[in-house]
Amino acid sequence: QLQLQESGSGLVKPSQTLSLTCAVSGGSISSGGYSWSWIRQPPGKGLEWIGYIYHSGSTYYNPSLKSRVTISVDRSKNQFSLKLSSVTAADTAVYYCARVVPVPAARGYYFDYWGQGTLVTVSS
Amino acid sequence: EIVMTQSPATLSVSPGERATLSCRASQSVSSNLAWYQQKPGQAPRLLIYGASIRATGIPARFSGSGSGTEFTLTISILQSEDFAVYYCQQYNNWLITFGQGTRLEIK
Repeated sequence: QLQLQESGSGLVKPSQTLSLTCAVSGGSISSGGYSWSWIRQPPGKGLEWIGYIYHSGSTYYNPSLKSRVTISVDRSKNQFSLKLSSVTAADTAVYYCARVVPVPAARGYYFDYWGQGTLVTVSS
Repeated sequence: EIVMTQSPATLSVSPGERATLSCRASQSVSSNLAWYQQKPGQAPRLLIYGASIRATGIPARFSGSGSGTEFTLTISILQSEDFAVYYCQQYNNWLITFGQGTRLEIK
């Protein structure tokens, strides 16, 4: 059974960089042609897609966050990471990592496995 | 960006009854729609993809329908564990978007 687990700092100061890692177990991050994504959810609100890293290493980001986001993969550790720079209180959210199921005919995708999520609070 | 609108925001239904949740897209997404269930303190769980295909392990009481811009998630006989927030998500292009959610509560 595939499992994803987020880790990283739960408290980040304004203007600093948020860094999270998602460890994948029960399967290889490099197999099956899957991609890997980050999604966030502000407290009491809905879901916002942040971006994903394709199995080839290509990245795609939400235009609303693109200038501040970097997603990378470390295949040797079977994990992928998120960096979000210049954070503000608006970036306070539960951050989820998820496996992407591509739908080539639609050029879109959905998410079949999710991590449990980690709360990141931006505050001085 | 395709905007997904879910209705109602909150739905109150008694256990054992049927619940019908709606999701509307601002433009056609064909059948490229997924539904997720989220319980408090948990990650979303994939229920439906392709508008009507149940994900692995999802009970038959969950069914999805629709295409284009209008979609429905039906839960035929509500169980206590079904009370949660439900999100729809379109994936008709690379910029996927979610609806704002419908909270299904016990009446």
